[in-house]
Amino acid sequence: DAGVIQSPRHEVTEMGQEVTLRCKPISGHNSLFWYRQTMMRGLELLIYFNNNVPIDDSGMPEDRFSAKMPNASFSTLKIQPSEPRDSAVYFCASSSRGLSPNSNQPQHFGDGTRLSIL
Amino acid sequence: GESVGLHLPTLSVQEGDNSIINCAYSNSASDYFIWYKQESGKGPQFIIDIRSNMDKRQGQRVTVLLNKTVKHLSLQIAATQPGDSAVYFCAENYGGSQGNLIFGKGTKLSVKP
Repeated sequence: DAGVIQSPRHEVTEMGQEVTLRCKPISGHNSLFWYRQTMMRGLELLIYFNNNVPIDDSGMPEDRFSAKMPNASFSTLKIQPSEPRDSAVYFCASSSRGLSPNSNQPQHFGDGTRLSIL
Repeated sequence: GESVGLHLPTLSVQEGDNSIINCAYSNSASDYFIWYKQESGKGPQFIIDIRSNMDKRQGQRVTVLLNKTVKHLSLQIAATQPGDSAVYFCAENYGGSQGNLIFGKGTKLSVKP
């Protein structure tokens, strides 16, 4: 079965450029999550969607970051303009969301996009 | 603030021995916990989960123990193999049915042949 697919796997760009990261969640999953991982801060949740609707974007660092989910099989995370401190590995994850508090399901991660801003 | 922390940042074990990775969580309202394994260059891989109404759950060569009294979570790996070498993260969820999954900093497990 196909897992979460992220592209590109690596991105190197100059400061000030726009960066777009892409994610295809597991088919049938209705929750999608964007994380950022750095050595200093570990894994941080940036934003998550349920049924294509953004639920919590409190982890988005600042207005330079934006995320969209136009349909159930695609999401983007955009950084504009990018800065060197945005360098990190960005992960997308998806899960099936239950309707009750006892129906948690694990999140399944893609292999990430390693972003380097020069 | 509320956070998930790990007692041991690194753990080195001999191949064939059992490994125990520990995790402390701070939010008593957390009701769902997950262990992930992350290998170099890859995303976190789901290992096992446990809900707060359970104390123990077993998988293939792995066991997760939950002690709600002291807010402690552990992952036991039986007969550790070189392929188990990775960083292991615990995560807790206290945001209801989904969403707010807080990760610990991770423990690096090294298996010596």
